[in-house]
Amino acid sequence: EVQLVQSGAEVKKPGESLKISCKGSGYSFTSYWIGWVRQMPGKGLEWMGIIYPGDSDTRYSPSFQGQVTISADKSISTAYLQWSSLKASDTAMYYCARRGGVGATIDYWGQGTLVTVSS
Amino acid sequence: QSALTQEASVSGTVGQKVTLSCTGNSNNIGSYAVGWYQQISHGAPKTVMFGNSLPSGIPDRFSGSKSGTTASLTISGLQPEDEADYYCSTWDYSLSAQVFGGGTKLTVL
Repeated sequence: EVQLVQSGAEVKKPGESLKISCKGSGYSFTSYWIGWVRQMPGKGLEWMGIIYPGDSDTRYSPSFQGQVTISADKSISTAYLQWSSLKASDTAMYYCARRGGVGATIDYWGQGTLVTVSS
Repeated sequence: QSALTQEASVSGTVGQKVTLSCTGNSNNIGSYAVGWYQQISHGAPKTVMFGNSLPSGIPDRFSGSKSGTTASLTISGLQPEDEADYYCSTWDYSLSAQVFGGGTKLTVL
């Protein structure tokens, strides 16, 4: 069974750093792109970027380029999303998703990680 | 402003057929398969359609189609549990990014 299991909720202060994770299981982790999606409170889904764990090829959505870093450790089948200096506006739910459907479509989603940034 | 345009809201009664649309351009929907994602009460999204294929476990009352730069998700025989937000998404080669629609809130009356 394919599963994407994300790390737990985080509460941080502005200016702090953070790295959240997404562990894949039940499939060949290095053979599928993994993307990150942001959902701000009461808003829709926004694509942040994507990584191919096989060779760490990473692409960022223009809106998120330079704001976050996406990485992966294929030895432990885990993808990461990190911030070096959080802002209150980073408060959101973050989902990882596997791009494994037809064409460039998503087939599996993680359960989400809630990030709250507040002083 | 989302790259893909969806209706803000759609409603239907139990048993009715409803169609949700997703409009893009030749850089995205016109060139790539479209996925549809269901989000119930702000829980994690769930894939209900990719291209014209139904994921395992999704009832066959869901179907997908595409014509030019518009994709559609049709739910035949609407059920109360279908009430949710629905998002479409595909790749956009001019942006080199995945793009989402703004989402459609489906209400089952």
